[in-house]
Parts: sequence; C-alpha cells; structure tokens
Amino acid sequence: KAGVTQTPRYLIKTRGQQVTLSCSPISGHRSVSWYQQTPGQGLQFLFEYFSETQRNKGNFPGRFSGRQFSNSRSEMNVSTLELGDSALYLCASTRGAGGPPETQYFGPGTRLLVL
Amino acid sequence: QKEVEQNSGPLSVPEGAIASLNCTYSDRGSQSFFWYRQYSGKSPELIMFIYSNGDKEDGRFTAQLNKASQYVSLLIRDSQPSDSATYLCAVNSGGSNYKLTFGKGTLLTVNP
Repeated sequence: KAGVTQTPRYLIKTRGQQVTLSCSPISGHRSVSWYQQTPGQGLQFLFEYFSETQRNKGNFPGRFSGRQFSNSRSEMNVSTLELGDSALYLCASTRGAGGPPETQYFGPGTRLLVL
Repeated sequence: QKEVEQNSGPLSVPEGAIASLNCTYSDRGSQSFFWYRQYSGKSPELIMFIYSNGDKEDGRFTAQLNKASQYVSLLIRDSQPSDSATYLCAVNSGGSNYKLTFGKGTLLTVNP
C-alpha cells in the first residue's frame, strides 16, 4: 500500500507571497492532519480534515488555511508569507472514523524556505 | 496551553545499554500516547503507542504509562547505533484522537 505523499518536496518563496501544499493520504484513509515543524517550536498541530470538513484546529493565525477534497486529498495554503513560516510542513493520515485511537502515518514533508 | 515536556537531552549511551526517554504531559484528559522516532531529514515514524496504565513491550522497546503522575516513558534495551535519532513523545489533546501535541523531542546517540 502506498504511503502518504506530499508535493512539492521543496519550495522557496519570498515574503508576502502565498503557497499551496498538497497531501495525498494512504488509500482508505479519510483523515488528514497538518503539522508545522521548526527547530525552535518542534512539531505543532495546524488542523485536521475529515470528509471535507475541518474537524480540529490548532493555534495558528488565519493566514494558514486548508481544505480537503472528496478523494481525501488535502491542501494547505499559507498567505502573506513571513520569514517565520520557514519550516517543514508534514501531513499525516488515518482512517479517522472514530473508535479506538489510531496511528497517524506521516508523509515525507514539504520543506518551505521564505526569503 | 496543553504541554508535553521531554527530557531535553541530548542523551548519549553506549551500544548495548538501556536508553531511557521520559515525557510528562499537562492535559489530564489525554488518553492516547505515542512515541515516534525521527531520523535527521526524515519524517516521524511510529515506534509504539500506549493507552493503559502500566507497561507495554514490543521487541527491544518498552513504553510505560502512569496517568496519575501524567508521565510516559520509553525504554530501549540493547541500544544499537541505528537507534540514534530524535524521539518524539505525542499525546492526544483537546478530547480528539486526531489532534496530537508533541514534545520537542530528545536526541539520542548510541555510540559503538
């Protein structure tokens, strides 16, 4: 079974621009979570989507947004980029249907550099 | 702000020794606890999860959970150089199984 895929793997942008990152979950997984990883703050939860609806949200400003499509693929968007947005953006997928806790499987990440 | 704290490290152990990694959490409502391993430049991969108080063993790894003390640990027996990585403790938060709060990680180096 193919794992979680993320595109692009690397991205360089300048301040003020916007960026869109994509995540395709494991086949059959309907929940996609997004995380930001930086050396200073570690891994921080951005949001989680299930069945095209945002189900959980972290403490990030409104410049960070996401969506999920009917095939469970998800995108996240960051508008008006700031230098501090430079980070590794990871997505993770699970089946998401409730019940016992599930393992989140991470994709390889998109490394974003804002200049 | 719900927090997860890990021993800051870095932790260095000789090959064959036991490595002990610790984690405390602040959200008493947390029910699910995960240990991930992250090699440099790679994404996190799950080592173990634990939901019930006590010990859970999987090969060379043992996770220990004490909900009363809000403490979870990971022991790695017979440590190998290939175990050298950053270990991340994660806890479900906000009453959701799909929102994880991570500690900042402990860098483990196993010396041959």
